[in-house]
Amino acid sequence: AQRVTQPEKLLSVFKGAPVELKCNYSYSGSPELFWYVQYSRQRLQLLLRHISRESIKGFTADLNKGETSFHLKKPFAQEEDSAMYYCALTKGGTSYGKLTFGQGTILTVHP
Amino acid sequence: EPEVTQTPSHQVTQMGQEVILRCVPISNHLYFYWYRQILGQKVEFLVSFYNNEISEKSEIFDDQFSVERPDGSNFTLKIRSTKLEDSAMYFCASGQGSHQPQHFGDGTRLSIL
Repeated sequence: AQRVTQPEKLLSVFKGAPVELKCNYSYSGSPELFWYVQYSRQRLQLLLRHISRESIKGFTADLNKGETSFHLKKPFAQEEDSAMYYCALTKGGTSYGKLTFGQGTILTVHP
Repeated sequence: EPEVTQTPSHQVTQMGQEVILRCVPISNHLYFYWYRQILGQKVEFLVSFYNNEISEKSEIFDDQFSVERPDGSNFTLKIRSTKLEDSAMYFCASGQGSHQPQHFGDGTRLSIL
């Protein structure tokens, strides 16, 4: 069975500081990893996915298969980054896209 | 930009009653999902639906739950006899393909009294 762990429920940083939201997973196959974000009073929306290897809103995440991690990083946090962040996994290969979510991390960026 | 829409935004129901949660997925999407989030807990997968049938379901999705796509646009989740522990936020999602990003609705907050 797959599992996603986000060890930090709350994370606070000051504006301009680097931020890293941790995500570890367990899955025996080749997973696809995602970061979803939920801003205040808005819906869950995709932030980025590992196969795209892109940077969205200054955020990047690298899949480390050796450490089974997919940490989300941003070098200089902004106040508008304050939100709930969810790491999620889906099985690669033949599957119907079921997402397994972590507990989520509330990021607060202080001015 | 097209969005997944869910109605109602909040549903209050007596325990034991049937409830239907409604979703309109994005029109060219082929894969449909229901998730739920009990207050303070993680978002949990309930069921996926493709080609007019359930493709995968979790252990939560027991005989009290059913899904339907009655008219080619709506996607509904029915809970036949609600229990207190069904109180949660229910999210509908849709995707163009099984490995395409899923787009989520705003959710329906279900409160069972």
